[in-house]
Amino acid sequence: DAKTTQPNSMESNEEEPVHLPCNHSTISGTDYIHWYRQLPSQGPEYVIHGLTSNVNNRMASLAIAEDRKSSTLILHRATLRDAAVYYCILRGSGGGADGLTFGKGTHLIIQP
Amino acid sequence: EPEVTQTPSHQVTQMGQEVILRCVPISNHLYFYWYRQILGQKVEFLVSFYNNEISEKSEIFDDQFSVERPDGSNFTLKIRSTKLEDSAMYFCASSDSGLDNQPQHFGDGTRLSIL
Repeated sequence: DAKTTQPNSMESNEEEPVHLPCNHSTISGTDYIHWYRQLPSQGPEYVIHGLTSNVNNRMASLAIAEDRKSSTLILHRATLRDAAVYYCILRGSGGGADGLTFGKGTHLIIQP
Repeated sequence: EPEVTQTPSHQVTQMGQEVILRCVPISNHLYFYWYRQILGQKVEFLVSFYNNEISEKSEIFDDQFSVERPDGSNFTLKIRSTKLEDSAMYFCASSDSGLDNQPQHFGDGTRLSIL
């Protein structure tokens, strides 16, 4: 699987936007970029995914660089409930029931 | 919103004993997964399951582990003879297809403590 690199931690204030970066310089043309998050004492939770175009859903937006070597997860207005570890994961090793490869992710701290 | 449910939430077992962790995936999903997370470490993939057989497994998933879908709703992970190092959170997940653009939906896990 192609590797992703994320900052270990980030801090933001409540009700402000948060931009979580991810580098994936070895991404292949068929890899999807997925984001999951893990709130304290819970299982991972799907956030969003994309291939080439920017994506929006009710939870977040995903901005994908034109060369696809990096992406940014955008939380438009962070709440205390968004404090979690955020994982950027590539999927595209040929399909089938592949497991997700989690890294250490970014620990997002939200200050009230 | 449908969700993956796991039981029990916490399981305490003596070393060497067998343990079965249970999961009820989302009802129309076809692909099922187990992951584990040792305290303070990354989430690690164990196994995926489709059409009543294992699709993929990691190096962690050795002969001590087995999975089963005993009926139309449950998906189980069995550890035959538990070791201290099996202590971890175990997460079940499901997806409606194995395609790379489909999300996996996780349960909240079973905390397994081996004494």
